[in-house]
Amino acid sequence: KAGVTQTPRYLIKTRGQQVTLSCSPISGHRSVSWYQQTPGQGLQFLFEYFSETQRNKGNFPGRFSGRQFSNSRSEMNVSTLELGDSALYLCASSPWSGSGGLLSPLHFGNGTRLTVT
Amino acid sequence: LAKTTQPISMDSYEGQEVNITCSHNNIATNDYITWYQQFPSQGPRFIIQGYKTKVTNEVASLFIPADRKSSTLSLPRVSLSDTAVYYCLSPAQGSGAGSYQLTFGKGTKLSVIP
Repeated sequence: KAGVTQTPRYLIKTRGQQVTLSCSPISGHRSVSWYQQTPGQGLQFLFEYFSETQRNKGNFPGRFSGRQFSNSRSEMNVSTLELGDSALYLCASSPWSGSGGLLSPLHFGNGTRLTVT
Repeated sequence: LAKTTQPISMDSYEGQEVNITCSHNNIATNDYITWYQQFPSQGPRFIIQGYKTKVTNEVASLFIPADRKSSTLSLPRVSLSDTAVYYCLSPAQGSGAGSYQLTFGKGTKLSVIP
C-alpha cells in the first residue's frame, strides 16, 4: 500500500501570501489530520477531518483552514502568511478516528517544509 | 486532559537496552498510551500502544503498571538507527463531539552512541 503523500515537499512564500498544501491519505483511510511542527513549539495539532467533515480543531487562528474531499484527499490553506508560519506541516491518516480512549494509529507523511520570507 | 511528561533527552551505547519512562498522572480510565518515533525530516511513526501491564511487538515493549500513572517504552539492543525523538501520548478530548486528538509534547531525543 502506498503511504501518505504530501505535496509539495518544500515551499517558499512571501509574507502576506497564501499557500495550499495537499495530502493524499492511505487508500481506505477516512480520517486525515494536520500538524504543525516547529523547533520551539514541537508538534501541534491543527485539525482533523473525517468523511469530509471537520471533527476536531486545535488552537490556531482562522487563517489556517482545511477541507477534505470525497476521496479522502485533504488540503490545508494558510492565508496572509506570517514569518512565524514557517514550519514543517505534517499530514496523518488513519482508518478511523477513535473510540473511547483508544485512538487509531496515525500514519504520517514526510511533510511539507514551508518557509515564509 | 491527560498531560504527559518525559525526559528531554537520553544517551545510550549501541547494543544496550533503553528504557524511556513517561508519567501521566491524570490519565483517564479508558485512555490508552501510545508511543511514536520520529526521525529528522520525517513524520512520526507509530511504535506501540497499550492499556495496562505489558505489550510487546517486533520493535519494542511497553510496560504500564497497575496504577497507570506512568509507562515505560523499552527498546532492546539499540543501534545507531534508533537515534530519534520518541513521543509518549495519551488522547485528549477534541473540540468536536465524541472526537479525540493526540497531543504531542517535545518528546525524548534518544542519541545512540557507537
